[in-house]
Amino acid sequence: DAGVTQSPTHLIKTRGQHVTLRCSPISGHKSVSWYQQVLGQGPQFIFQYYEKEERGRGNFPDRFSARQFPNYSSELNVNALLLGDSALYLCASSLGVSSYNEQFFGPGTRLTVL
Amino acid sequence: SQQGEEDPQALSIQEGENATMNCSYKTSINNLQWYRQNSGRGLVHLILIRSNEREKHSGRLRVTLDTSKKSSSLLITASRAADTASYFCATDNLKTSYDKVIFGPGTSLSVIP
Repeated sequence: DAGVTQSPTHLIKTRGQHVTLRCSPISGHKSVSWYQQVLGQGPQFIFQYYEKEERGRGNFPDRFSARQFPNYSSELNVNALLLGDSALYLCASSLGVSSYNEQFFGPGTRLTVL
Repeated sequence: SQQGEEDPQALSIQEGENATMNCSYKTSINNLQWYRQNSGRGLVHLILIRSNEREKHSGRLRVTLDTSKKSSSLLITASRAADTASYFCATDNLKTSYDKVIFGPGTSLSVIP
């Protein structure tokens, strides 16, 4: 079985632009979470979705939004990009929303904002 | 905000030695997890320890949890060059509905062949 996949792998944008990142979970996993990892730091939780509903939100501005589709894949959208949005964006899938469910991470999307 | 804080920030050891990393957290938790990350890519789940457990083993990994001190340690025995990576602890958050999973800043481990 394929693991969690993310696209694109790398992305370069300029300030003020919009970006959409995509994630496909492991087959059978209904929960998808998004994390931002700035260089040299640990991942920071952005969103969790389960069965197409938002089940958790981190301390991020409204410029960040996400959604989950009927096939459980997910998109993370960031509007009005800032230099500080440059980071590795990680997607993780799990069977359910409980913190006891093991999360499986994708390889990430490296976003550079110039 | 980051709940978990790993210590040390960086660790360099010879192959075959043991490596110990520590994690401290601030709020009540259901469980604590350790992850490994190679070269800034995706994280790999290593082990989960529940709040009512004190110690857990998985292969060469040994994790302890002291809820009274709000701390955990990860011991890697007989280290190998392939263990070179960053290691993160992560906790769930019982305090608020936000920040459901909180990662620490990580320990960068270098195992020298």
